[in-house]
Parts: sequence; C-alpha cells; structure tokens
Amino acid sequence: DVKVTQSSRYLVKRTGEKVFLECVQDMDHENMFWYRQDPGLGLRLIYFSYDVKMKEKGDIPEGYSVSREKKERFSLILESASTNQTSMYLCASSLIGLAGFEQYFGPGTRLTVT
Amino acid sequence: RKEVEQDPGPFNVPEGATVAFNCTYSNSASQSFFWYRQDCRKEPKLLMSVYSSGNEDGRFTAQLNRASQYISLLIRDSKLSDSATYLCVVNGNNNNDMRFGAGTRLTVKP
Repeated sequence: DVKVTQSSRYLVKRTGEKVFLECVQDMDHENMFWYRQDPGLGLRLIYFSYDVKMKEKGDIPEGYSVSREKKERFSLILESASTNQTSMYLCASSLIGLAGFEQYFGPGTRLTVT
Repeated sequence: RKEVEQDPGPFNVPEGATVAFNCTYSNSASQSFFWYRQDCRKEPKLLMSVYSSGNEDGRFTAQLNRASQYISLLIRDSKLSDSATYLCVVNGNNNNDMRFGAGTRLTVKP
C-alpha cells in the first residue's frame, strides 16, 4: 500500500508567519505534488516535483515555495502566511498505472491563518 | 468555463438505489480519466480508472464518451458506506496536468 504522510493534520498560524508543511511518501515515487482544496473550486496544483531538487510551478504558485532535498520528502513553504492561504493542503505522489498517472494523497493539513 | 465540471449535488438517495454522476471536460486532448472518492475531512482516494471501453468494478461502472467529452459513474445497489464526495479527474498525460472537478456529494440514507 502506498503511504503518504503529512506532518500536521491541523495548523493555526498568524499572518506574516513562515509556515512549513512536510510530506513524506514511502513508495519511492519520483513525482510529488502539493495541492490546495477549497470549497467549490476542486483541487488546484501549487507545485510539483518530478525528481530530487527539481520543481515546477503549478497553477497557483504565488506566495508558496517548495523544497525537495530527498526523494521521499517534499516540503511546501509559505514565506509569509496570509489569510487567503487558509485552506486544506494535500500532498500527493504518483505512479504510472495502466490508465495513466495515478495519484495517492496524504491525509491533508487544514491550515488556518488568522 | 471550468476545465472539469461536475454537478455538485447533493444527491440524496435511499439504500439500494442506483445513482449516476456525470462529468464534462473541456480539453479534447485529455488522455486519462479517473474517479476518486473523498470522505468528509479525509483525503481523496482513487476509486477507479476509466477506460475507453468502459469498465466495471463490482457495483461501480465507469463510462467514457470522448466525442461528447464526458465521463460517468454509475453506482448500483447503493450502500450507506457509499456516502462521500466523488471527484472526476482528467489528465492530459503529463505529470502536472491532472484536472480535478469540484466533486459531487452523495448521501445514501437508510
């Protein structure tokens, strides 16, 4: 079974704080992703990484950065948290299945910025 | 227009009912299609891939209509445990090109 873990389930931070969200997968997947999920909008891709030290912007990278120093770990960084970054953050890793890229998600981190 | 559109529901059905969800996508070059299930306050989990010829997994049947650019999910003999949000996902075969619908919420009642 694929296992993707995230460092926190719930997090409350103040505006302007630097926030680190950690994600670890144990299946040696090369591809890892960070999404945010907001009601009515579906999942939106923030950043993804296809290899160690490689990263590419997704649809909504503004206000975020990422780090991938080891294959199993992909971190999302909010340099200066703002209230509009209050959201559910989901990390995923993927493999190529018969039908294409299958993504496996961590449990999510519900971040509240006050 | 959203890239992947779903009826948000909610669909409220009795146990044993058959229920169908549709999803339309805008990118005609899309190659891969999936249904994910998401329980309340949990992460999305892959329910089934959708193949061109259609496929079935127990009580669940997925269909793809490329000409009309929609996919469907049919659930037969609904169980209480089927209550969840169902996400339609479309992929253009690139790593970063997974497009998620906002989900259709299903509640199965006794």
